[in-house]
Formats: sequence, C-alpha cells, structure tokens
Amino acid sequence: QKEVEQNSGPLSVPEGAIASLNCTYSDRGSQSFFWYRQYSGKSPELIMFIYSNGDKEDGRFTAQLNKASQYVSLLIRDSQPSDSATYLCAVTLTNDYKLSFGAGTTVTVRA
Amino acid sequence: GAGVSQSPSNKVTEKGKDVELRCDPISGHTALYWYRQSLGQGLEFLIYFQGNSAPDKSGLPSDRFSAERTGGSVSTLTIQRTQQEDSAVYLCASSISGTEYTEAFFGQGTRLTVV
Repeated sequence: QKEVEQNSGPLSVPEGAIASLNCTYSDRGSQSFFWYRQYSGKSPELIMFIYSNGDKEDGRFTAQLNKASQYVSLLIRDSQPSDSATYLCAVTLTNDYKLSFGAGTTVTVRA
Repeated sequence: GAGVSQSPSNKVTEKGKDVELRCDPISGHTALYWYRQSLGQGLEFLIYFQGNSAPDKSGLPSDRFSAERTGGSVSTLTIQRTQQEDSAVYLCASSISGTEYTEAFFGQGTRLTVV
C-alpha cells in the first residue's frame, strides 16, 4: 500500500465550478498535511497546510481533514484557467517526520 | 537567500560522466530533501537529511547515486557514470525542522539531460 494515494485524473472542470481533489494516507499517526500546486515545467509550490480535523479556508481554497478516515481533500472554488496544474498531496510520516508525496492529480479548468 | 537555491539550472552530460548537483537550503532549515521527477511523472523520493541524524537513503535508485550535506547546510547530490535513464528534473526542498509541523519549500530544480 502506498503511503499517500491520489486520483491521478485528469480532472476537468468548467470555469467557475468547484474542483474537488481527494487524498488518502496510510500512516494513522500522521499529523501534518500539505497541498502543493505544480505548473507544467515548474517546481511544486505550497498552497495549503492543515494540522487539525475540519476545514481550513484560504481564499478560494479549502482543505478538509478527517483523521479518523485518513482522508484529506482540497476544494478549489470559482475555478479559473490559471488553476490548471497538478496538485500534490503530502503527508508527514510519524516515524521520522519525512514528507511523503502522492502521485498528484492533474486539473484542467475549461474556459 | 530567501528561497531554496539549486545549481546548475540545466545540465547536459555525456553518458558515463559523473555529475554534481548542488542545493542551498533556506537559512536555518534543518531538514533537506532530494526528489527526482521524470517527464510527466510524480515526485520520486531520493534522500532525506534531518539535522545530525543519519540520512534516510532509502530512495536512492542505485549505488551510483550518493549525497552529502556539509555543515548541516549545503547539499550535493552526485551521480556517477550517468545513464540515459537518469535524465530528469532533480528537486531539492528544505523545511525548518524535522518535527511534524514542517512546511517544505522547493528550489527551482536542476534539469539533467544525459546524452
């Protein structure tokens, strides 16, 4: 079982819609969860982090964490063509605090 | 510097040559990661340094790959006898500490092409 799993996509949404990205993780003791955005040909950029159960909102982005279900999600509201990118979920493992990444979900926002 | 700095940005080398890739982390960051990303693929973990602890080398794909971190700061990833399958973007990231709450920031990467 992979430590962090994401749907690879591609996820295609119309402009203005909500894009919903999902991520599950295997290490039940993990405490820290991150979402990175990676544009084609660029390096990953941290856009959200969440440490507690529930929702965390930052602008058009909302991260949702459910530790009991070992599930973290990212919602992008009012999606824009500039949101088209690959979104990487990352989790800090409890044994050595190493950051483990999922394979990423590619999002395309149609104008 | 303000961010993670990697050099060179691009490197073209002949098959069989050795290459060194450099990463200068954010000042004060004790954790440093190397990842590799082939075209259209996800991040492949290579090695993780945390403070003075022994590095986690579990991701190094072969004994041709090695990395060191001098003085807890700058890191060098060395690839010996390069092969064409080593062609990829090599990404370095650093975080302020090896605790659970550790936001990691990436450098711009080194694009390695082995011809």
